[in-house]
Amino acid sequence: AQSVSQHNHHVILSEAASLELGCNYSYGGTVNLFWYVQYPGQHLQLLLKYFSGDPLVKGIKGFEAEFIKSKFSFNLRKPSVQWSDTAEYFCAVRGNNRLAFGKGNQVVVIP
Amino acid sequence: NAGVTQTPKFQVLKTGQSMTLQCAQDMNHEYMSWYRQDPGMGLRLIHYSVGAGITDQGEVPNGYNVSRSTTEDFPLRLLSAAPSQTSVYFCASSAPGRRTYNEQFFGPGTRLTVL
Repeated sequence: AQSVSQHNHHVILSEAASLELGCNYSYGGTVNLFWYVQYPGQHLQLLLKYFSGDPLVKGIKGFEAEFIKSKFSFNLRKPSVQWSDTAEYFCAVRGNNRLAFGKGNQVVVIP
Repeated sequence: NAGVTQTPKFQVLKTGQSMTLQCAQDMNHEYMSWYRQDPGMGLRLIHYSVGAGITDQGEVPNGYNVSRSTTEDFPLRLLSAAPSQTSVYFCASSAPGRRTYNEQFFGPGTRLTVL
């Protein structure tokens, strides 16, 4: 079964700072990779996804992620965060009819 | 489209009680799933279904039952509630086709407390 590791569970940063969240996965087959965001009190929304092709994926709200197959990684980045980016971020990998999530990164952006 | 809907939004149960969490989608999605979200644990898959009449266990199935009699509905049953089942439950669905389960659309969640 696939598994996902996310590092630095709690991240606090100031507006305009850059954000990078790490995601490493383990799965022997072809993977589809996702980043979801959960704003306070809301359900999960898709930020971006990777299936194939260009390993640099651009998502909504200025987020991007890079798939590095050799490192089994799919790190999320945003060059300049805003207060409204305060949320919990989840990396997920789909394989074998299942979507496995990491434990999430709680990101707090200070105005 | 209403997307994925879940009822109730909040529920309090006593230990030993049973109940059913409802989930419905109007997008003609074949794939549906249930997750529970606990602090510091991310989302864990409880059960999933690849189509009407087909269900399978996920990562944490014990204490839960599901059925999929129609494409639209995927109820989750708690057989005998325990405090360990206090959690937020999310239902999700994704696009038709057994080989391409793409983006999952999530419902708003049910916050369950078991006393």
